[in-house]
Amino acid sequence: AQSVTQLGSHVSVSEGALVLLRCNYSSSVPPYLFWYVQYPNQGLQLLLKYTSAATLVKGINGFEAEFKKSETSFHLTKPSAHMSDAAEYFCAVRPSNFGNEKLTFGTGTRLTIIP
Amino acid sequence: NAGVTQTPKFQVLKTGQSMTLQCAQDMNHNSMYWYRQDPGMGLRLIYYSASEGTTDKGEVPNGYNVSRLNKREFSLRLESAAPSQTSVYFCASSLVSNTEAFFGQGTRLTVV
Repeated sequence: AQSVTQLGSHVSVSEGALVLLRCNYSSSVPPYLFWYVQYPNQGLQLLLKYTSAATLVKGINGFEAEFKKSETSFHLTKPSAHMSDAAEYFCAVRPSNFGNEKLTFGTGTRLTIIP
Repeated sequence: NAGVTQTPKFQVLKTGQSMTLQCAQDMNHNSMYWYRQDPGMGLRLIYYSASEGTTDKGEVPNGYNVSRLNKREFSLRLESAAPSQTSVYFCASSLVSNTEAFFGQGTRLTVV
């Protein structure tokens, strides 16, 4: 079984401040992990992914995430928030064992940027 | 390149009516998914198909059926719609397990 927990359904940061969105996962086998972003009335688009290569993963728009096996975490960060970062962010997990294609999402974190 | 295409974009149904949501991808992906998105609950997996000819239940399959018609198409059917099925439905596809899923633009369904 697999699951994702995103702590904080709403996060507000000031423009230029650090963004930290938390994601903890549970998986019975080594996981593949993903962060997606959703802008209003749109589908989801990939920010970055961890697929068992480097544990520090860089994505689009200046975001990065670090896979920490000991903490079962995959937190998303950005050094300096921009107004255009306001959106909803989803963490997702998929087991890495062959043939298991189930992709499970967390409940999401809505990020608000304060001017 | 269209990616993942969902139809319709909006739909209003009366309780008890049936309908099929269509999804097609043109990326030659193996896996396809149906999710529903509700406020505060994130995306919940309804059904998925790891490859042509196979389908599996997700977290919330009750009240839905699916068909993987061919490699490109994966449809979701509501046989007897209920107000609890009011939601935004997303279809997604991916090539293999270590690649990302690509999403359609969603179908906003209201059941009255």
